[in-house]
Formats: sequence, C-alpha cells, structure tokens
Amino acid sequence: NAGVTQTPKFRILKIGQSMTLQCAQDMNHNYMYWYRQDPGMGLKLIYYSVGAGITDKGEVPNGYNVSRSTTEDFPLRLELAAPSQTSVYFCASSYTSRETQYFGPGTRLLVL
Amino acid sequence: AQKITQTQPGMFVQEKEAVTLDCTYDTSDPSYGLFWYKQPSSGEMIFLIYQGSYDQQNATEGRYSLNFQKARKSANLVISASQLGDSAMYFCAMRSGYALNFGKGTSLLVTP
Repeated sequence: NAGVTQTPKFRILKIGQSMTLQCAQDMNHNYMYWYRQDPGMGLKLIYYSVGAGITDKGEVPNGYNVSRSTTEDFPLRLELAAPSQTSVYFCASSYTSRETQYFGPGTRLLVL
Repeated sequence: AQKITQTQPGMFVQEKEAVTLDCTYDTSDPSYGLFWYKQPSSGEMIFLIYQGSYDQQNATEGRYSLNFQKARKSANLVISASQLGDSAMYFCAMRSGYALNFGKGTSLLVTP
C-alpha cells in the first residue's frame, strides 16, 4: 500500500494564479482531510470529507474548494492564490472519524 | 472550545536517556482521543501513539508511552532510551469532531 500520496511536493505560484493539490489514498478510508501548517505552528483543518460526494468546511476554508468524486481522491483547489496561502498542505485519511488519521508527505506551496 | 497546549518549545536529551514531552488539553466532551505525531526535518507527519478518554491503561507503543492523567487533563509523551533519530518536532493533538486540534509542538534534539 502506498498509503496517502500527494502531488506536487513543491510549487511556486504567482499571486492570482490557481492550482489543484492532488491527494489520493489506497486504504479504502471513508474520511479524508486537508490541513495547512504555517511556520512554527500546528496543523489547521481546511476541509474534510466523510465519503464520496460529501464535503464540509473546517476551521480555515476561505480561498479553497474541494470535491470528492471517488473514495480514493480528494483534491484541494486554490483559486486566486494569495501570499497568505503560503504554507505546507497535508492531506490525511482515516477509516472512521474516531480512528487515527494518516498523513501524506505534504505539499509545500509558496505564493509570490 | 477545545485547546491543546504544549509549553516546551524546545527540549534537549542525551542519547539513551528518557525524555517527557508535556501536553495539556481542555475539553468539555466526555469522549475524546489524544494523539502524538512526530515530524522529522523531512516534513512528514508520523503517527506515534493514541489514548482514548475511556481507556483505563496508559497507551504504549515500543519506546513510546503516554502518561495519561485525566483529572489533570494531561497526556505527556514519554520516549525511553532516546536515539539520534528521535530528533524532530513532536505534536500533541486532540480529536475534536472530525478534526484534530494540534498544539504548537515541541522540538526535541537528541545529543550524542
């Protein structure tokens, strides 16, 4: 099993550009999550999904969108990138909401 | 509101010694879960150990143990026989609904 995979590993965006961060898991987990980690901080939840077709906002959803068309994939869309979105983005998954969340390797995003 | 506090920004320990990383939490929910994750310099988030609020015994996973004191609302991570590879950031997290609430982390440096 590959676990949780994320692409790209690193990306530089110009202000106003858009991009999609990809996340996939092969553990047949129902729950998937997107977090961001700012320097010197813990992670904060952006969006989560409890299954295909069902998503909801987390603590810091502004400037992002998600979709979940399959159990395996949970892409995060950034529209009109801003310097405040410079961060490391982690995707995670779990079988249920009460079980351990397993994280992908992260995507480092720099918006200039 | 649920809150996780890690009061030690940085810790040093000599190789082969034991070290305790502090974590206190605040919640009014009777059912909750506490997690510890390790983040090495390479950036990935590695799950270490889990403690449920109703678990009677402290969790252990190899060299990691969780000193769970429910009345004091503390969930300290104990690493026994430290190794150079234990040098990393360590995050305490508490399950809050669908999300994990993270502390700000403790940086651990293991010296020869």
